[in-house]
Amino acid sequence: AQSVAQPEDQVNVAEGNPLTVKCTYSVSGNPYLFWYVQYPNRGLQFLLKYITGDNLVKGSYGFEAEFNKSQTSFHLKKPSALVSDSALYFCAVRPRTSGTYKYIFGTGTRLKVLA
Amino acid sequence: NAGVTQTPKFQVLKTGQSMTLQCAQDMNHNSMYWYRQDPGMGLRLIYYSASEGTTDKGEVPNGYNVSRLNKREFSLRLESAAPSQTSVYFCASSAGEAWNEKLFFGSGTQLSVL
Repeated sequence: AQSVAQPEDQVNVAEGNPLTVKCTYSVSGNPYLFWYVQYPNRGLQFLLKYITGDNLVKGSYGFEAEFNKSQTSFHLKKPSALVSDSALYFCAVRPRTSGTYKYIFGTGTRLKVLA
Repeated sequence: NAGVTQTPKFQVLKTGQSMTLQCAQDMNHNSMYWYRQDPGMGLRLIYYSASEGTTDKGEVPNGYNVSRLNKREFSLRLESAAPSQTSVYFCASSAGEAWNEKLFFGSGTQLSVL
């Protein structure tokens, strides 16, 4: 079965420190990979995506993600965390199969950045 | 710049009541989706519509029906609400084209079924 795993329910990091939120996937082929962020009482917002090309993808608010094909991972990173980065982060995958429109989401990782 | 608009934002139902969640997008997107979000389970796809005139079941379609009224609107109906349908519901849309692909989400509907 196709799946996306976010192994950490919560990640705590001190403001100014680098952060990593982990994501691995089990989806055949070379799927499209995404990160979304959800602030309290809001819908999800797009952060970044990997379609093809450079394994390091840059996105909104200083976030970036590293694609590793051999490990089927797509970890979200930021060099210096801000308190305002505290939110719920979702990894998502969309298979490249023609006619497939279904996204598979991970269960989410809550990021807390401590002042 | 409205994006994806969902109504209502909050709703409380009694078991057995029916209701329709409305969703509209103004981005001329082909594909629209309904998700539910439950603690510890992430987002689960209920139904989606790849293009106007088509709808398909997602992961958890039981107890729900959908209508793609036109290209802009995609509604979700609960015919006989059950406590297990207490959740936060999100509508989303996307252009459906690979290089331009990403989901745009509405702000959600918090539904409680008593």
